[in-house]
Amino acid sequence: DTAVSQTPKYLVTQMGNDKSIKCEQNLGHDTMYWYKQDSKKFLKIMFSYNNKELIINETVPNRFSPKSPDKAHLNLHINSLELGDSAVYFCATGPTGAREQFFGPGTRLTVL
Amino acid sequence: RKEVEQDPGPFNVPEGATVAFNCTYSNSASQSFFWYRQDCRKEPKLLMSVYSSGNEDGRFTAQLNRASQYISLLIRDSKLSDSATYLCVVNTLQKVTFGIGTKLQVIP
Repeated sequence: DTAVSQTPKYLVTQMGNDKSIKCEQNLGHDTMYWYKQDSKKFLKIMFSYNNKELIINETVPNRFSPKSPDKAHLNLHINSLELGDSAVYFCATGPTGAREQFFGPGTRLTVL
Repeated sequence: RKEVEQDPGPFNVPEGATVAFNCTYSNSASQSFFWYRQDCRKEPKLLMSVYSSGNEDGRFTAQLNRASQYISLLIRDSKLSDSATYLCVVNTLQKVTFGIGTKLQVIP
């Protein structure tokens, strides 16, 4: 069983489109995160959810909207995609307070 | 000053060598510290937590120096399979910050 899964693994789309990335975890953790890793390999946190509530929202354009339907899922919806959104997006989970994290395999987004 | 700074490398070392990475952080209120490993085109994976007393896991030793605000990772007897990027992570109550990562290439 995959502990943290993301779909899709690859996403190629045109500028201006709206797309979603899904994340599911079966570790029973309370906290879930979204990260963006750009072409320079810098891994930057975007959002953090604890028990379905938004905890951290870094300076991310409001075109990005996370949705947590339940503790096991944290989806990322992106509106009006731009070239600069091309990156690998990682979902991660962790137990509350411990701050260690377990990452999904990543979604490689390419905006043309 | 960046919140978390690492030398991106690459560090090219022969098999069997000992190699050490440092990572400095700027926020003295930082509370927890970790090293992660990331292989090419893969997700980061937790390598070890870092404590002030130092901790060891096989060939890997991690150390935290709060006074100087840096953490270190020592790898002894390097293996080819150690080739990867090593990311340090510094946490406050409000924030998780990853370093840029240090790339290690172990050469036969």
